[in-house]
Amino acid sequence: RKEVEQDPGPFNVPEGATVAFNCTYSNSASQSFFWYRQDCRKEPKLLMSVYSSGNEDGRFTAQLNRASQYISLLIRDSKLSDSATYLCVLSSNTGKLIFGQGTTLQVKP
Amino acid sequence: EAGVVQSPRYKIIEKKQPVAFWCNPISGHNTLYWYLQNLGQGPELLIRYENEEAVDDSQLPKDRFSAERLKGVDSTLKIQPAELGDSAVYLCASSLAGRGYEQYFGPGTRLTVT
Repeated sequence: RKEVEQDPGPFNVPEGATVAFNCTYSNSASQSFFWYRQDCRKEPKLLMSVYSSGNEDGRFTAQLNRASQYISLLIRDSKLSDSATYLCVLSSNTGKLIFGQGTTLQVKP
Repeated sequence: EAGVVQSPRYKIIEKKQPVAFWCNPISGHNTLYWYLQNLGQGPELLIRYENEEAVDDSQLPKDRFSAERLKGVDSTLKIQPAELGDSAVYLCASSLAGRGYEQYFGPGTRLTVT
């Protein structure tokens, strides 16, 4: 079983839609969680950290459920520029980052 | 401020040939990472350096891959000999000490082995 599992998608949504991605992880000792964004043929970039209390950054909301071992990313009012692959990432207790395979989002006009 | 620099951006070689990739991290970042990314997958760590010391190379196929970071700044990743299955994007990243969750990636080297 992979340490981090994501639905690869693609998720095709119209502009203005709300879309949510989930990610599950297998190692309960995982320390920290993040979402990275990767545009087509570009490098990954940190989007936001994920906290148990949930955190929001503009149109983006991330949540962590340690009991069920999943994290989520909610994007409200989708823009064309949100089209990308969203990588679920966890940090082990040694500080190593483990990336999921990513979920691809396509926002259509 | 300059980001992580990698070269070459693209490389096509025949199998069994050697190949080397170069990375210059962001100035002041003492931690440097090499990742491999296959199509449709997330990056997978090959090796992590803290200054010039390799602190995690458990995923590096040491029979054919080698890496060095002699002066704790730029780094080279080498494959010798290359195999068809090595075709992938090789990403270099760097981070500040204690902030390993916030890694800055270079544009990557896209390797094709024919």
